[in-house]
Amino acid sequence: DTGVSQNPRHKITKRGQNVTFRCDPISEHNRLYWYRQTLGQGPEFLTYFQNEAQLEKSRLLSDRFSAERPKGSFSTLEIQRTEQGDSAMYLCASSPVYTEAFFGQGTRLTVV
Amino acid sequence: TQLLEQSPQFLSIQEGENLTVYCNSSSVFSSLQWYRQEPGEGPVLLVTVVTGGEVKKLKRLTFQFGDARKDSSLHITAAQPGDTGLYLCAGEGYTGAGSYQLTFGKGTKLSVIP
Repeated sequence: DTGVSQNPRHKITKRGQNVTFRCDPISEHNRLYWYRQTLGQGPEFLTYFQNEAQLEKSRLLSDRFSAERPKGSFSTLEIQRTEQGDSAMYLCASSPVYTEAFFGQGTRLTVV
Repeated sequence: TQLLEQSPQFLSIQEGENLTVYCNSSSVFSSLQWYRQEPGEGPVLLVTVVTGGEVKKLKRLTFQFGDARKDSSLHITAAQPGDTGLYLCAGEGYTGAGSYQLTFGKGTKLSVIP
């Protein structure tokens, strides 16, 4: 297994468009996290899945954001009607239960 | 909400010097992780500390978890240019209803000048 994989690595979109990012976690990792990181800041928590259940969702996640993890494997994060303030690095991480998280390389979103 | 404060925010030192980075919180964590991140990449896990008072060494890096499991430090001996990067601490805490959350500090940006 090569680790957590995120696609695409970079995405440039026009304001108002919808975008979807994909995360493939390490096999058999129950827990999956999505984070957002802007320049000069640490990652900010967005949402958390344990298997297919979305157990935690940050107040940062507006109604335009939705995440899914069907079948408890890969996950998608969709942003509808993108705004310039959504420009950031979106990071996905996975972990076995109760241990450290392993991150993917992230998806860099630029909204123009 | 569990908050982690990292200090200093920026650190620029000469090759060969020693340094310490701090991570403090008023919350108790079940574990604490340290990551290093390079520009345009995801954070890479360096170490996890779980027990209060625990000390772990990774070559020139020494990590310590506070006795009360609220704070941690990272000490680098004889820093090298390859140590340059953003150092992040992250605390794992139980948020209820069977859910755990990993909360990050804002990071310490380290530059080691040759």
